[in-house]
Amino acid sequence: EADIYQTPRYLVIGTGKKITLECSQTMGHDKMYWYQQDPGMELHLIHYSYGVNSTEKGDLSSESTVSRIRTEHFPLTLESARPSHTSQYLCASSPDIGTNYGYTFGSGTRLTVV
Amino acid sequence: EDQVTQSPEALRLQEGESSSLNCSYTVSGLRGLFWYRQDPGKGPEFLFTLYSAGEEKEKERLKATLTKKESFLHITAPKPEDSATYLCAVLGYSSASKIIFGSGTRLSIRP
Repeated sequence: EADIYQTPRYLVIGTGKKITLECSQTMGHDKMYWYQQDPGMELHLIHYSYGVNSTEKGDLSSESTVSRIRTEHFPLTLESARPSHTSQYLCASSPDIGTNYGYTFGSGTRLTVV
Repeated sequence: EDQVTQSPEALRLQEGESSSLNCSYTVSGLRGLFWYRQDPGKGPEFLFTLYSAGEEKEKERLKATLTKKESFLHITAPKPEDSATYLCAVLGYSSASKIIFGSGTRLSIRP
């Protein structure tokens, strides 16, 4: 049973459109992350947050932006979608890295930009 | 720089044929090593956390072990439903709470 939710599950959108991928978690976790993953490829960290009003860029350069106004909500926005943004986007959260949980991942949003 | 290397990239086994997946890591002080299972088109599902060399964890047909340089995911008498990509990840003291993932091993179990 998922405690972290991503919507939409699938999205096909035209070039130049603005999109927001939603991520919400009900576990009260402080830390949240966004990963990008192409089929059969590695996970790449694009954004992370350690709490409300805290956001940082990850290891992979991304044209997306994020916000963290509420603990449970960590949306990712693309101001102008391009075909190069086609990928799967995975959201994750963790309470504290020293616990026995690791990250909890959402089911992902598969984005296709045409 | 923290690094994780998984081998093999892909492994095909017959149902019931036991084997092991390898995860080699380099990290400046290990805080935790994680194993995940990922099914196609889904997010990774957490399996185990290992914290120190010599530690072992088990879940059904899976057993994870840890040394100072490697972790192994042993799969005993696998079934077709064990087919998935298995990801290894590490967190070091210099990583500022960011887990580093390996590229995964794609495991396929033939009935």
